[in-house]
Amino acid sequence: AQSVTQLDSHVSVSEGTPVLLRCNYSSSYSPSLFWYVQHPNKGLQLLLKYTSAATLVKGINGFEAEFKKSETSFHLTKPSAHMSDAAEYFCVVSSASGNTGKLIFGQGTTLQVKP
Amino acid sequence: EAGVAQSPRYKIIEKRQSVAFWCNPISGHATLYWYQQILGQGPKLLIQFQNNGVVDDSQLPKDRFSAERLKGVDSTLKIQPAKLEDSAVYLCASSLDWVASGDLWGSDTQYFGPGTRLTVL
Repeated sequence: AQSVTQLDSHVSVSEGTPVLLRCNYSSSYSPSLFWYVQHPNKGLQLLLKYTSAATLVKGINGFEAEFKKSETSFHLTKPSAHMSDAAEYFCVVSSASGNTGKLIFGQGTTLQVKP
Repeated sequence: EAGVAQSPRYKIIEKRQSVAFWCNPISGHATLYWYQQILGQGPKLLIQFQNNGVVDDSQLPKDRFSAERLKGVDSTLKIQPAKLEDSAVYLCASSLDWVASGDLWGSDTQYFGPGTRLTVL
């Protein structure tokens, strides 16, 4: 069965400093992995996705994530945090390879950005 | 391009009452999903439609929850009767059919609506 574990429920950084949100996954095959962001009272927005192409995936708003099969990790990073990055972040694995499959969400990490 | 639309945005009901949520997916998206997101947790899939057929409803509490997508476009999710533990945000998402092409992220990307926040008292 597929699953994801987000290692931190809450991360706090200062504006302008790097962001690291950690995610480990479990999958019986090569997975599709995603990071979604959820701002208060707004819908989930896709930040980036990995589907077995380049292991370093670049997304929107300066975010990127690296797929490391040996560590079963897919950590999300950003070089410099902005106040607008404060939100809930979800690491997600697709339950089926290739075509549309059920998304399995992690518990979420709340990112706080301090001025 | 218009996104996924949902209504109402907020709903407060008493336990044992019934409630219905509506979702209109992105035009041309064949697959539609309903998720339940309880406070402090990630969304959990309730049901997945491909056009007007059900692909996966294994986590739908069928004794009280029902969903339909009669014409393969918009969908309704109903709860009857509601329980206190049904308080959550109900998210609708849609994606292209896998044979489609031209989407920025790929045909398996799910696009989410703003959700309906249900409070059961």
